[in-house]
Amino acid sequence: GAGVSQSPSNKVTEKGKDVELRCDPISGHTALYWYRQSLGQGLEFLIYFQGNSAPDKSGLPSDRFSAERTGGSVSTLTIQRTQQEDSAVYLCASSSRPYTDTQYFGPGTRLTVL
Amino acid sequence: AQKITQTQPGMFVQEKEAVTLDCTYDTSDPSYGLFWYKQPSSGEMIFLIYQGSYDQQNATEGRYSLNFQKARKSANLVISASQLGDSAMYFCAMRDLRTGTASKLTFGTGTRLQVTL
Repeated sequence: GAGVSQSPSNKVTEKGKDVELRCDPISGHTALYWYRQSLGQGLEFLIYFQGNSAPDKSGLPSDRFSAERTGGSVSTLTIQRTQQEDSAVYLCASSSRPYTDTQYFGPGTRLTVL
Repeated sequence: AQKITQTQPGMFVQEKEAVTLDCTYDTSDPSYGLFWYKQPSSGEMIFLIYQGSYDQQNATEGRYSLNFQKARKSANLVISASQLGDSAMYFCAMRDLRTGTASKLTFGTGTRLQVTL
């Protein structure tokens, strides 16, 4: 079946602009995660959605970052007023059950803030 | 808090040889899962193998096996019969398996494996 998909694959933006990154999880997966991979910080957890429960936003680095998940499927990560330190690869993952199952990752979106 | 340590930033192995990638972890949680992911230059994180903290036997998946030593808090990945396509970054990760937690993955810094002819 289809894996996790993310779009765009690459995004170049100017400092101060807003960006939206999209994630399509594996069909039927109820848990969805966003991670960020950067040279200085490695792989960091950002936010987690499980079904209709309130998301766990504990990893979001600032209030410029937000995410939503519509209809329990597609998720959008929004970064407002982008800064150069936001440059990173943003990875989305999904799993069928949040506590025991393996997380499967998408190809990522490479964000470059000029 | 959970912590994963990968002390080998880079490793070389000859084709067809076996290689061990080290991973140690620290957690106070009694129930946890350990994962290895491969990240080729294309960037996608590919799941390789999983070991639960209560699993009695070491996990194996094809050419991959996990050398789990719970008392030493180590979860080394062994790749047998290395292939050129195994050249990639390898990440060790862990997750709390208790219900009611975020179940986020905590990653190590990775080991870059280069397979040579």
